[in-house]
Amino acid sequence: AQSVTQLDSQVPVFEEAPVELRCNYSSSVSVYLFWYVQYPNQGLQLLLKYLSGSTLVESINGFEAEFNKSQTSFHLRKPSVHISDTAEYFCAVRGTYKYIFGTGTRLKVLA
Amino acid sequence: SQTIHQWPATLVQPVGSPLSLECTVEGTSNPNLYWYRQAAGRGLQLLFYSVGIGQISSEVPQNLSASRPQDRQFILSSKKLLLSDSGFYLCAWSWTSGNEQFFGPGTRLTVL
Repeated sequence: AQSVTQLDSQVPVFEEAPVELRCNYSSSVSVYLFWYVQYPNQGLQLLLKYLSGSTLVESINGFEAEFNKSQTSFHLRKPSVHISDTAEYFCAVRGTYKYIFGTGTRLKVLA
Repeated sequence: SQTIHQWPATLVQPVGSPLSLECTVEGTSNPNLYWYRQAAGRGLQLLFYSVGIGQISSEVPQNLSASRPQDRQFILSSKKLLLSDSGFYLCAWSWTSGNEQFFGPGTRLTVL
């Protein structure tokens, strides 16, 4: 069975500091991985995805994630965060029809 | 382009009352459709998904039900709401052979 683990429920970080949000997955089939962002009282928005090819994927707002098959990880990173990055971040893996989500990491950017 | 709508945006209902939440998708055909619930401070719980009209798969046995009367319409219902039904309900869709999901804006349900 597929599963996703986000070990950090909350990550506080100062503005302009780097951040890494951790995601580990378990899957016995081809892996399609996603990071979504959720702002308060809104739906989830796709941040970036790994389907195949280059193991490093980037979003338009400076986030990147690296697919590491040997460590079964898909950690999300940003070299310099902004106040506006404060949100909840979900890692997900796609199954046949279903998507398995992690429990989320609340990123709090401090001034 | 594709858009997904949910209504109402917010809802306050007494315990024991019925529920009907609606989700519609525009700009695509034969999408896979999903209902999730997000309780306060918790992750996403998949409630139902559908790969076609009239085809509903239930993930969590409870007092909720779902229906798909039309290709791009997905309805979440309950005959009698419980306090524990409070939460943020999200509808999502994906292409049949697609990759990512696309989420609606959500419905905030408070059961008093």
